[in-house]
Amino acid sequence: KQEVTQIPAALSVPEGENLVLNCSFTDSAIYNLQWFRQDPGKGLTSLLLIQSSQREQTSGRLNASLDKSSGRSTLYIAASQPGDSATYLCALTGANNLFFGTGTRLTVIP
Amino acid sequence: NAGVTQTPKFQVLKTGQSMTLQCAQDMNHEYMSWYRQDPGMGLRLIHYSVGAGITDQGEVPNGYNVSRSTTEDFPLRLLSAAPSQTSVYFCASSYSLIGEDYGYTFGSGTRLTVV
Repeated sequence: KQEVTQIPAALSVPEGENLVLNCSFTDSAIYNLQWFRQDPGKGLTSLLLIQSSQREQTSGRLNASLDKSSGRSTLYIAASQPGDSATYLCALTGANNLFFGTGTRLTVIP
Repeated sequence: NAGVTQTPKFQVLKTGQSMTLQCAQDMNHEYMSWYRQDPGMGLRLIHYSVGAGITDQGEVPNGYNVSRSTTEDFPLRLLSAAPSQTSVYFCASSYSLIGEDYGYTFGSGTRLTVV
């Protein structure tokens, strides 16, 4: 079974810092990797989708990379803002399921 | 586009009661699924459907039923609610099983408490 780990579980940074969130997985037989953002008490908002043939995707201040051979993905957030405070989840698409990590709770301090 | 719509947003049930969580999408997605989110355990798949009339079990299907009579709707039924089913439930949809093109779209969730 696919195991997905996100480290750290929680992270606090001052506003303006660049930061990296990590996601590791045990089975490289994946179709896609998707990063989500979840605000407290809310649903999941898709941030970036990396298909298995791709190595990275960018959207605004966000950049996500995928290295299937090492079982790792990173989400890079540039010039962090207080509005970036949320829980970030990575999810991998297998044969019939999304496998989620337990997330990294990010706090950006003004 | 409304995307994926879930109702109700909150619900309190007594042990043994039954209820249906509603999920509807307007994106003509073939694939729909239900997840539950519990603290420290991430999101886990309950049931999924690859098209109208086709459903299958996920990782934690016990105590839940689903049906898919139309492309748009995928309701989740709790047959006899138990405190262990206290959770936040999310419905998701995608163009395909593997989430190609645009990946998965999630609803805003239903927070269920069973007392």
